[in-house]
Amino acid sequence: DTEVTQTPKHLVMGMTNKKSLKCEQHMGHRAMYWYKQKAKKPPELMFVYSYEKLSINESVPSRFSPECPNSSLLNLHLHALQPEDSALYLCASSHPLGGGAEETQYFGPGTRLLVL
Amino acid sequence: DQQVKQNSPSLSVQEGRISILNCDYTNSMFDYFLWYKKYPAEGPTFLISISSIKDKNEDGRFTVFLNKSAKHLSLHIVPSQPGDSAVYFCAAGLQGAQKLVFGQGTRLTINP
Repeated sequence: DTEVTQTPKHLVMGMTNKKSLKCEQHMGHRAMYWYKQKAKKPPELMFVYSYEKLSINESVPSRFSPECPNSSLLNLHLHALQPEDSALYLCASSHPLGGGAEETQYFGPGTRLLVL
Repeated sequence: DQQVKQNSPSLSVQEGRISILNCDYTNSMFDYFLWYKKYPAEGPTFLISISSIKDKNEDGRFTVFLNKSAKHLSLHIVPSQPGDSAVYFCAAGLQGAQKLVFGQGTRLTINP
């Protein structure tokens, strides 16, 4: 089973709203990732959690706040977003350190976010 | 500076023929490489990977070739099927670094 689930599938929010994206995996992976993908572009890494600790923040604005409550769950809290933040937000998971194929990242279906 | 490049934005292939997707990279430190397939409004689906200690890896209809001296990898799909129509991303990484660098993607269309 290589399933990563994400909720909601779609989200529309105003610039003053607060919302959260959720991601879950039950593959025993201890690394989890948030990516942002704009149309016709490759995924861009935002955050990496390894063993529930934030290990990489790719200089993401503070209006995006990640949280890893346990080894299976990853949240992305959104506050005061801008219209240019509209994108597909992807969650992924992998074994954190194993080398080669064991580091393969498995992606969820994504949350399509529209900021009005 | 694009470390991973897919120079063909699109490719059209007849059903049953071979599809060859190409990817070039500049960082010789990359030591593993992956191919992902993506349908619109869905997350990327892992297809196949290869470690830098190998030059070929096969999985069913999919074969990835790695030429380290040329810093080039390719994905061969044979025979191509209509369901293979999607955007294909190559990605490269350093073991333990937890960061993948993606190419810009190639849209593959399989014509009946």
